[in-house]
Amino acid sequence: TQLLEQSPQFLSIQEGENLTVYCNSSSVFSSLQWYRQEPGEGPVLLVTVVTGGEVKKLKRLTFQFGDARKDSSLHITAAQPGDTGLYLCAGLLSNDYKLSFGAGTTVTVRA
Amino acid sequence: KAGVTQTPRYLIKTRGQQVTLSCSPISGHRSVSWYQQTPGQGLQFLFEYFSETQRNKGNFPGRFSGRQFSNSRSEMNVSTLELGDSALYLCASQSSYSYEQYFGPGTRLTVT
Repeated sequence: TQLLEQSPQFLSIQEGENLTVYCNSSSVFSSLQWYRQEPGEGPVLLVTVVTGGEVKKLKRLTFQFGDARKDSSLHITAAQPGDTGLYLCAGLLSNDYKLSFGAGTTVTVRA
Repeated sequence: KAGVTQTPRYLIKTRGQQVTLSCSPISGHRSVSWYQQTPGQGLQFLFEYFSETQRNKGNFPGRFSGRQFSNSRSEMNVSTLELGDSALYLCASQSSYSYEQYFGPGTRLTVT
């Protein structure tokens, strides 16, 4: 059983549409990170959120950390083919040194 | 600043053989973590080394081992390879001041 559940597992949309990816848990995290991974490469860190209710924006990407620090979402506005990839969330429990990763959401943006 | 490097990028081995993978972290980073990534299981944590000591270990059999050198470079070894060990092996380095991890490109291991 994954500590972090991501949904949906797969998402295929047309260029210009919006999308949201969710990352949920019953555990409380001291911080949560989002990564994007392209085929054949390692994950690349997009953002870290640490405060409950925090919202961070990275160009067309908006990240939100839940008030209770148990969940997070990633929203992409006007998606582009370059946004295609595997999106992973990873959380750090307050009593742990290692990150726990979700299974990931595969996003495909069609031109 | 150079990123995390992993060698080799691709490897084909036969069942029963052993393999050693190498990872050089970002300069100044003392923590190196190793992960196994497969389509069915996703990213699974193997172990983490900090200042040459194993600080954390995941739930993998003893065939998987690692070490870290004084220059923070790390190696992982898999002995008696099984078909199920075919995966992308990723290493990630981390600074002492945050929990953000920076991944290398991975080593694609295929066991036949």
